[in-house]
Amino acid sequence: AQSVTQLDSQVPVFEEAPVELRCNYSSSVSVYLFWYVQYPNQGLQLLLKYLSGSTLVKGINGFEAEFNKSQTSFHLRKPSVHISDTAEYFCAVSFKAAGNKLTFGGGTRVLVKP
Amino acid sequence: NAGVTQTPKFQVLKTGQSMTLQCAQDMNHNSMYWYRQDPGMGLRLIYYSASEGTTDKGEVPNGYNVSRLNKREFSLRLESAAPSQTSVYFCASSPHPDNQPQHFGDGTRLSIL
Repeated sequence: AQSVTQLDSQVPVFEEAPVELRCNYSSSVSVYLFWYVQYPNQGLQLLLKYLSGSTLVKGINGFEAEFNKSQTSFHLRKPSVHISDTAEYFCAVSFKAAGNKLTFGGGTRVLVKP
Repeated sequence: NAGVTQTPKFQVLKTGQSMTLQCAQDMNHNSMYWYRQDPGMGLRLIYYSASEGTTDKGEVPNGYNVSRLNKREFSLRLESAAPSQTSVYFCASSPHPDNQPQHFGDGTRLSIL
């Protein structure tokens, strides 16, 4: 079965430090890749997406992610986090063989400390 | 503000009771989705509607029914609620079936005792 794994359930990080959230997927077919952010008591917001082209994707709020096909990964990075980045982050993959439906990872909670 | 609106925001039910979760979007999107969110499991698709008049099962449809009332509204019904359906439910929309969900509501927190 196709799956998405977010390797860290929680990531504490100090303000202005860099952060990397890891995401790996299992698939040998073409995929579309997404990162969503969920602030407390809110729905998900799309941060960025990879559909094709350059493997380095830039999103909103200073986030970027890199698609690595050989490692089946799509890690999310931000060079300097703010308190307001405290949220839960979800990696999601759309497997073309599965009708383009999204499969979500379990989420990573980022807690930014002052 | 434009977006996806869900009602109610919170609900407590007893086992066996029924209820309908409401969702409406005002962005003229064709596709709408219902997900449930459980700790450590991300979001799982319950049902989706690619366009007005069509609905299809997602990953976890058992125990649920849906109605795409018109282009704006997509409701989720629990006919006989079970404790396993305690979850946070999100409605989402996208412009086209080939697009992934872009706009989410704020969720309905449902507890079943």
